[in-house]
Amino acid sequence: SAVISQKPSRDICQRGTSLTIQCQVDSQVTMMFWYRQQPGQSLTLIATANQGSEATYESGFVIDKFPISRPNLTFSTLTVSNMSPEDSSIYLCSVGGQGSNQPQHFGDGTRLSIL
Amino acid sequence: GQQLNQSPQSMFIQEGEDVSMNCTSSSIFNTWLWYKQEPGEGPVLLIALYKAGELTSNGRLTAQFGITRKDSFLNISASIPSDVGIYFCAGPQGGSEKLVFGKGTKLTVNP
Repeated sequence: SAVISQKPSRDICQRGTSLTIQCQVDSQVTMMFWYRQQPGQSLTLIATANQGSEATYESGFVIDKFPISRPNLTFSTLTVSNMSPEDSSIYLCSVGGQGSNQPQHFGDGTRLSIL
Repeated sequence: GQQLNQSPQSMFIQEGEDVSMNCTSSSIFNTWLWYKQEPGEGPVLLIALYKAGELTSNGRLTAQFGITRKDSFLNISASIPSDVGIYFCAGPQGGSEKLVFGKGTKLTVNP
């Protein structure tokens, strides 16, 4: 399976600031996804990062708060904007899932704490 | 949207014991996935199931895709301390590539 690298692995940020998280894959992939995992909770899909077009957001998530870029088939960024303590979570990118028998694989996530 | 009900929420067992956890849904899933997440890491895929009735093993782990397509279980035999972690079931929503996750089963193994 593809090797997925996320940066930063963790960060502590001030309220009101923004942070951009990077996801790099070692091979070209069609599908990339961004998830949020709040403390002690399961994973919730934020959006699908589409190469060359705007991301597709899930209910409850908006582009102004979580802008996403996908400039090519190996890279994507997620920005968490105007952060508040409620945004303290693990943010994970995943790849794969297109076509039969290609389950998603995840990066190690970015652990974000907002003070 | 589709939801997955995973149980139990947590398990505390002795090393060497067998473990069983399951996932149910009111909707049909065409794929069932089982992931394990350890502290500081992302979920790692353990087993993928694609066919109703399918029984698949990965070492000491065995998972089955329910005949009704609305449930799946994961068994771990002869547990060891490194089995500690949170186990999640997941499946694609409505035939798309987007995954919905269960709430997870936190496993603690006492040596």
